[in-house]
Amino acid sequence: DIQMTQSPSSVSASVGDRVTITCRASQGISSWLAWYQQKPGKAPKLLIYAASSLHSGAPSRFSGSGSGTDFTLTISSLQPEDFATYYCQQANSFLLTFGGGTKVEIK
Amino acid sequence: QVQLVESGGGVVQPGRSLRLSCAAAGFTFRSYGMHWVRQAPGKGLEWVAVIWYDGSYKYYEDSVKGRFTISRDNSKNTLFLQMNSLRAEDTAVYYCARDSVASGPHYGMDVWGQGTTVTVSS
Repeated sequence: DIQMTQSPSSVSASVGDRVTITCRASQGISSWLAWYQQKPGKAPKLLIYAASSLHSGAPSRFSGSGSGTDFTLTISSLQPEDFATYYCQQANSFLLTFGGGTKVEIK
Repeated sequence: QVQLVESGGGVVQPGRSLRLSCAAAGFTFRSYGMHWVRQAPGKGLEWVAVIWYDGSYKYYEDSVKGRFTISRDNSKNTLFLQMNSLRAEDTAVYYCARDSVASGPHYGMDVWGQGTTVTVSS
């Protein structure tokens, strides 16, 4: 199975900061990567698919990049509603796997 | 509107069975692949299973293979997860989710239910 490793596991940042989260796959997954945002007690929300495509309704301050094994989610200017946990998920194999999550906390 | 509503969760003893349901509305259910994803208390997301739009293919995470069965009834717009031989480590919130495009699971999951809680305990 493909393992997904996210870093950091948590990050403290202030409103207006640029935040970058990385995700590494244990083998090449082309661009078949998605990013989700989850707030406590709520279902995840799709932000990015195919590594860099913004899902309809997701704010444009979110962007994704990468291919192969290394991927990045960037929040260009952190807003109060962005404090949440973010997960990457590979979709190259039909046996999907998620990264361990990155919690973005208020500094 | 487009929505998924899970039901069937509860408290069950180890070794027993439970069947989860996910009712879909607001979209052409029979055109989309569907997933179950779970989240243990305080833990991250774990993908459990997927079923193709027509039920022709099913895939499972290793720890549930042979114990869980995903199925669907396209005439009733409903997804199921039959969970047998339940273990304490199956305790989690279980979400159903939809493929974001009709062509398969490559583009993420764009519609999620609110989740149903399964607790396996004696």
